[in-house]
Amino acid sequence: DIQMTQSPSSLSASVGDRVTITCRASQTISSYLNWYQQKAGKAPKLLIYTTSSLQSGVPSRFSGSGSGTDFTLTIGSLQPEDFATYYCQQSFNIPWTFGQGTKVEIK
Amino acid sequence: QLQLQESGPGLVKPSETLSLTCTVSGDSIRSNSHYWGWIRQPPGKGLEWIGSIHYSGSTYDNPSLKSRVTISVDTSKNQFSLKLNSVTAADTAVYYCARRSPQGEAFDYWGQGTLVTVSS
Repeated sequence: DIQMTQSPSSLSASVGDRVTITCRASQTISSYLNWYQQKAGKAPKLLIYTTSSLQSGVPSRFSGSGSGTDFTLTIGSLQPEDFATYYCQQSFNIPWTFGQGTKVEIK
Repeated sequence: QLQLQESGPGLVKPSETLSLTCTVSGDSIRSNSHYWGWIRQPPGKGLEWIGSIHYSGSTYDNPSLKSRVTISVDTSKNQFSLKLNSVTAADTAVYYCARRSPQGEAFDYWGQGTLVTVSS
């Protein structure tokens, strides 16, 4: 199985901050990397697919980059509604696997 | 607007079979482009993909579940289902159904999730 490792596991930030979350795959996954946002008690929501494509309806302050094994999710200017847990997921090989999550908290 | 809704017992006894159904509304499950899947999340933990199915009946699942999984589809009811047998406390989780988009093979629509507790 492809292991997905996110860093950091949690971070504290203020409204307006630029936030970057990293996801590393245990082997190359080309650009088959997706990002999800999950708020407490809710289902995950797709933010970005294939590394950098923004899902319809997702604000443009979210962006993704990377290739191969190293990927990043950037929130350009953190908004109050962005405090949540973020997960990366590889769709290169079965079984699809997720990172352990990065919790973004209010500083 | 596509919606998915999980249903099934919230409590299952150890060694028995967990059975859940996902009802799809707002679109047909008979899409050549999409697969339909199950993902679970133990309390306070991360996400684990369980398996996926196409309306044609083609399925694939996570080998870590050691062949305990059966996923089926009922196109007449616009539903797909999950059976997980020989459950233990480790199978306690929120179970989500979701649609897998051909774009990046990402899960673009999710149900709200249903908590299944394994306990005697």
